[in-house]
Parts: sequence; C-alpha cells; structure tokens
Amino acid sequence: SFELTQPPSVSVSPGQTASITCSGDNLGQKYASWYQQKPGQSPVLLIYHDTKRPSGIPERFSGSTSGNTATLTITVTQATDEADYYCQAWGSPAAMFGGGTKLTVL
Amino acid sequence: EMELAESGGGLVQPGGSLRLSCAASGFTFRNYWMHWVRQVPGKGLMWVSRIKSDGSTTAYADSVKGRFTISRDNAKDTLYLQMNSLRAEDTAMYFCVKFSGNYDAYDIWGQGTLVTVSS
Repeated sequence: SFELTQPPSVSVSPGQTASITCSGDNLGQKYASWYQQKPGQSPVLLIYHDTKRPSGIPERFSGSTSGNTATLTITVTQATDEADYYCQAWGSPAAMFGGGTKLTVL
Repeated sequence: EMELAESGGGLVQPGGSLRLSCAASGFTFRNYWMHWVRQVPGKGLMWVSRIKSDGSTTAYADSVKGRFTISRDNAKDTLYLQMNSLRAEDTAMYFCVKFSGNYDAYDIWGQGTLVTVSS
C-alpha cells in the first residue's frame, strides 16, 4: 500500500485562491480524486481523474497534477468553502485517503 | 435522486457484534460495486471493505479482515456489513458509498451510521 500526505491545515482570505496538495509515491501513475466534507455532513466528490468535475461542482474548484503531487485549487474562495478536504487514490484493493486538510477562510 | 441510507449503528460492548444495513434508491443498485468507509469522529477517512456488483468478490482492510463481512441483496437494493469481535478502535461513523466506474471515485455517500464500541 502507499500513503497520501496532505497539509493538516490551509488558511485563505475570502476571494483569494487556496491550494491544497496531496503527495504520494507513484501518485503520478494513479488517478486522484478530491472530496469536500463540511462539519456534520458526508463527503462530496469534487474532482475525479485528477482534473475533472462532476456535474454540479462549481468551476471554482479545479484539480491538477505534477509528478507525484496532486493539487486542489479553489479560486475566489468563499466562506462556505470552509471544510475538510480529502484526496483519494486507488491501491489494491483499497481506496487510500490522504489525512485531510482543514481549510479555514479567514 | 440517488440516495444511500445506513442503519444499524449503536453502542456495543467490546467483543460484540453489529450488522449495518444500507438501503439504496434512485439508481440500479445491482450494477454497481459498493464500499464501506469509516471515520473516527474528528479524524480522517478509512476504507473498510468493498463488494462487486454481483456479490462474487469482496475485499477488506487488514484491520477488519476476519472480523467483518460485507454482503449485498440485489433483490432488496441493500448492502450489509456484519461486524463481529468488535474492538474499541472500531468506533467510528460508517459510510456506505457507491463506486462510479465512470469516475473511478465515490459519487454517492450515505449519511453514515455511528458505531460505538465501549463497555
């Protein structure tokens, strides 16, 4: 198996851009997904296949990759974006999750 | 609307058993692989188990292997997780999740059911 590493916390001012990274050995050879979890709620899929958005997810959320690091970028960050964000990739047979990043909108 | 609704959580003593259920609606349940993911309150997500669409193949996290059994009844659109020999470290919110082959990701999550293992 492998591990996915995320920063525990990221802070951003309203209207600015937030970036959350996810790194792991051989992550560049796998697809990364990103989930948003607000307090008391279930996770919601934001990004799949590294860069794609499911229908209904705002364009403010985007994904990218470089080498073994995947990045979730949130532009024009809003107070409602304050949440925990998890990256995820596939091991065999397990889904591997990063430790999560708490995004604070100051 | 696609929905998953878990039930069966609660307080159980160490060494005890519990069976979780997950009722699916709004999609053709028998066509999809299903998983269980858990989350210790205040902590991150951890994959627990998965089952193929027809129930023929299963897999488990090492921490639950031999104690948990995943199953499904496609006639009832329901997923199950039988949990035996429960330990304090199994205390968590358990989410039923639908795997999307198009996304290679989890596109639908249930609301979760809380399992507390304590004497």
